[in-house]
Amino acid sequence: GENVEQHPSTLSVQEGDSAVIKCTYSDSASNYFPWYKQELGKRPQLIIDIRSNVGEKKDQRIAVTLNKTAKHFSLHITETQPEDSAVYFCAARRRGGSQGNLIFGKGTKLSVKP
Amino acid sequence: DSGVTQTPKHLITATGQRVTLRCSPRSGDLSVYWYQQSLDQGLQFLIQYYNGEERAKGNILERFSAQQFPDLHSELNLSSLELGDSALYFCASSVDYGSDEQYFGPGTRLTVT
Repeated sequence: GENVEQHPSTLSVQEGDSAVIKCTYSDSASNYFPWYKQELGKRPQLIIDIRSNVGEKKDQRIAVTLNKTAKHFSLHITETQPEDSAVYFCAARRRGGSQGNLIFGKGTKLSVKP
Repeated sequence: DSGVTQTPKHLITATGQRVTLRCSPRSGDLSVYWYQQSLDQGLQFLIQYYNGEERAKGNILERFSAQQFPDLHSELNLSSLELGDSALYFCASSVDYGSDEQYFGPGTRLTVT
């Protein structure tokens, strides 16, 4: 089955700096890769996703890149702000199959220091 | 607000007891997923239902069971509870079993004492 590795587990940056979180996946049939942001005690919120037919997607200060050959994808946050502090989870799933469950990485705790 | 609702928000119970967690998906969503989040295991997929039928099973213990009703709400039943079952339990929903985007509910925090 699919396995998703996420690094780093913790990341501390100064406000205004960029943050990068990396994930690798094992199942070459996976073709949907969402990123979730989870603030303390709250639900995971979908912030951006990418499908395997594109290599990069951007939404304001966040972007995701996908390298299918290497089976890894990354989240990039630019001009970080204190409100970006949260735990970020990457995930993978195989689109089009009968099962839609996501396989999550173990999360990255991002701290943005003012 | 994702449109997915879960009750109760918090649940405190003793070992050996049985509890039921409830989830209502977003309007129009037919597929429901249950995930368990504990400190050391991250987000673990438990089970998926689509339009009343079980679609996929993950790391769900035999002591746990779920179902989805005709009105599409779902219940997760946890029995013979152990201390290690203490966790956040999230429900997510999507339009159908093949849809990509899953939207999570606020979760139920279960504490077993």
